[in-house]
Amino acid sequence: GDSVTQTEGLVTLTEGLPVKLNCTYQTAYSDVAFFWYVQHLNEAPKLLLRSSTDNKRTEHQGFHATLHKSSSSFHLQKSSVQLSDSALYFCALRRNNNNAPRFGAGTKLTVKP
Amino acid sequence: DPKIIQKPKYLVAVTGSEKILICEQYLGHNAMYWYRQSAKKPLEFMFSYSYQKLMDNQTASSRFQPQSSKKNHLDLQITALKPDDSATYFCASSQDFWGPYAEQFFGPGTRLTVL
Repeated sequence: GDSVTQTEGLVTLTEGLPVKLNCTYQTAYSDVAFFWYVQHLNEAPKLLLRSSTDNKRTEHQGFHATLHKSSSSFHLQKSSVQLSDSALYFCALRRNNNNAPRFGAGTKLTVKP
Repeated sequence: DPKIIQKPKYLVAVTGSEKILICEQYLGHNAMYWYRQSAKKPLEFMFSYSYQKLMDNQTASSRFQPQSSKKNHLDLQITALKPDDSATYFCASSQDFWGPYAEQFFGPGTRLTVL
């Protein structure tokens, strides 16, 4: 079945530094979309980015990700993190004919002053 | 105004009891979903409904039963509660079930604790 792997459970960074949150996946299907969700403490998950186009960079709120089907990856990056970026980040994939996303385990990002 | 309402926000139940988690969305969406989040499984898809029809069920237990009385309502009935059911349950909705308008929006969640 489909699977999403986020290798880092916890990432701690100092404000102003760049961040890269890894996301790799396995799927036998080609008609698939990929997502990053962000969840701040005691809040609901919110969609941050989505893509289904290979090698196309997508950006939102200073974050960006590029789907690379050749390496089965959809890593999330930001050039300079802020304190307000501290949150839980989930990578997910979804087949376009089935709206049941498969989520990774999540990466908790903590940004310190 | 909140567009997806979940009630109650917090719920404490005893083992073996039954509870109903309420979800209403006022986004005019046609599809609704339930997710569960706990320390063991960070975000887990449970059910999806489209036009009040069950589309997908990925829960292994029949103790979890969604109930849709209206298109904008999708409640979750949980019977014979166990401590392992303790989690935050999120309701979500999307305009359509698939296609470009299938982006899901999440409600604030119900935090269930089973003693």
